[in-house]
Amino acid sequence: EIVLTQSPGTLSLSPGERATFSCRASQTVSSSYFAWYQQKPGQAPRLLIYGASNRATGIPDRFSGSGSGSAFTLTIGTLKPEDSGLYYCQQYTSSRGEFSFGQGTKLEIK
Amino acid sequence: QVQLVESGGGLVKPGGSLRLSCAASGFSFSDFYLTWIRQAPGKGLEWVSEIIRSGSMKYYADSVKGRFTISTDNAKKSLYLQMNSLRADDTAVYYCARVRPWDYAMDVWGQGTTVTVSS
Repeated sequence: EIVLTQSPGTLSLSPGERATFSCRASQTVSSSYFAWYQQKPGQAPRLLIYGASNRATGIPDRFSGSGSGSAFTLTIGTLKPEDSGLYYCQQYTSSRGEFSFGQGTKLEIK
Repeated sequence: QVQLVESGGGLVKPGGSLRLSCAASGFSFSDFYLTWIRQAPGKGLEWVSEIIRSGSMKYYADSVKGRFTISTDNAKKSLYLQMNSLRADDTAVYYCARVRPWDYAMDVWGQGTTVTVSS
């Protein structure tokens, strides 16, 4: 099983600042099958980034993803108050038909 | 409108069974894979099970293997999760999600249904 470890646990930033989320895998994963999700309280997760660096439909261009191998990053370029929530990374291992999620990073907007 | 709607959650005693349903609409059911994800209270997302190629292949997390069974009814455009031998640590909100077969991204999610396992 591939374990995804996200850091930091919590980010506390002000509007207009830049947010950087890290996700490290316990072994090399396929960038094609790597995604980021946002979840707000009481809501289902929402797909933000797929294929490590592609924005999902309707996602503002202040969200960007990068990385390969075992290290991936989600960046929010200019924070807005509505960006607060939990952010999860996710990967898929095709040889085992398994998904795994990171434990999440909480983003607080001051 | 592309939509997934879960139902079937509730309160069940340890050792009991429950069947969750997920009704799909607004898209071609056979063009996508489907998955169940759960979230225990105050915890992160945990993948539970996946069904692909109209049911020809099914995968399970180790935590539910042998107790849960995923299935679909293509005519009803519905996904199911039969949960047996339920334990307290199965308590969670259960989401169904649509999986794109070309990149395995979960691009559509249901609103979730709550399962509570308690005596």
